[in-house]
Order: sequence, then C-alpha cells, then structure tokens
Amino acid sequence: AQSVAQPEDQVNVAEGNPLTVKCTYSVSGNPYLFWYVQYPNRGLQFLLKYITGDNLVKGSYGFEAEFNKSQTSFHLKKPSALVSDSALYFCAVRAPRRGNKLVFGAGTILRVKS
Amino acid sequence: DGGITQSPKYLFRKEGQNVTLSCEQNLNHDAMYWYRQDPGQGLRLIYYSQIVNDFQKGDIAEGYSVSREKKESFPLTVTSAQKNPTAFYLCATVGSPERNTGELFFGEGSRLTVL
Repeated sequence: AQSVAQPEDQVNVAEGNPLTVKCTYSVSGNPYLFWYVQYPNRGLQFLLKYITGDNLVKGSYGFEAEFNKSQTSFHLKKPSALVSDSALYFCAVRAPRRGNKLVFGAGTILRVKS
Repeated sequence: DGGITQSPKYLFRKEGQNVTLSCEQNLNHDAMYWYRQDPGQGLRLIYYSQIVNDFQKGDIAEGYSVSREKKESFPLTVTSAQKNPTAFYLCATVGSPERNTGELFFGEGSRLTVL
C-alpha cells in the first residue's frame, strides 16, 4: 500500500532563512509526488509535482522540492522564507497502475516569524 | 471564471439529520473526488467518480453517499449513519488525460458542524 509520512507536525523558521518541510513516501514502483499548501478555511493549492526527469522540481511562489529515490524522500524547500508562507503543507503520492487515488500525508504547519 | 464551487461554506446540523454538500465544476474534468479533513489526519478519501454515472468508495465511505448524474456535479450526502460527521469537506477534480500525472484542483471546502 502506498503511504506518505510528514515527520514534523510543525516547522518554525525566521523570515529570510531557508526552510525545509520533510516528506517520505512508500509506494510500489515509481511514484508521482505532489506538494500542496492550505491557508485557514481554504481549499488546497497545488505547489509542484515530480513525475519523471530532473530530481529538482521548481514550483509556485519560489518553492522547490528534491526527489531522492534512494531515500524515498521529496522534501519541500525555499531559499528565503516569507511570513506569508505560513500555512499548512501537504505532501501526496500517487502510484502508477494503482488507480488515480492520491494519498496525503498528515500535513506540516509552517510558521515563519518576522 | 473556471473552477470548483462548493456550497454551503458553513453548515450546522442536528444529530440524526442528513445533509447534502454541493460540488459543481466548470473545468470539464471527468474525475471528481470527495475528501474529509480532520486536524492532524490529513485528507482521507470518501468517494470518487471517474466518469458520469459511475463512482467508487474511497477509504472512509461508511455513512456517506454520492451521485454523479452530470459531469459538472458530484454532491455528497452525509447521512445520520456517519458517527462523527463534524469535519472540513473538500471536493477536487482532475482532467482525464492527466488522471495519473495531473494535480488535483480543489474547491474552497465546506465545514460541517454537528450540534
């Protein structure tokens, strides 16, 4: 069965510092990986995805993520955090040939302090 | 504007009542999904539909029902059999050619509170 783990419930970062939100996955075969962001009482917004190709994926709002197959990780990063980046972040995985179901991690709250 | 519209945004229900949450999309997407969000648990799949007049149970379908009579609409009914219905409900879609590789598009959610 496919699964996603986000080991940190919350990440605290000072504005201007780099940020990392961690994600590891378990899936049979090659995974399709996604990051979403959610602001309070809103729907999820897509940030970026890894399907194939370059392991470093660039997405919206200056975010990027690195796919590491050997470590089964897909950590979200940003070189310089903004206070407005404070939100709930979800990692998700879809396994090819296992239907279209997307499995989500539990989410990580990111707090950026000025 | 193209997108997904969920209504109502907030809903209060007494125990024992059925309620229906609306999800309408004008993205011309074939696949539609309903997720439930609870604090600290991420999103859990309730039901999904890949085509009109067809739908499948997700991981937590008990106490819920859906219909897919039109491509644009995928309403979710929370029945009195759902033991803990208070949650944030999210509807999502994805286009057919991108069903495996494409990202989901989400509505703004409906917050259901049982009094």
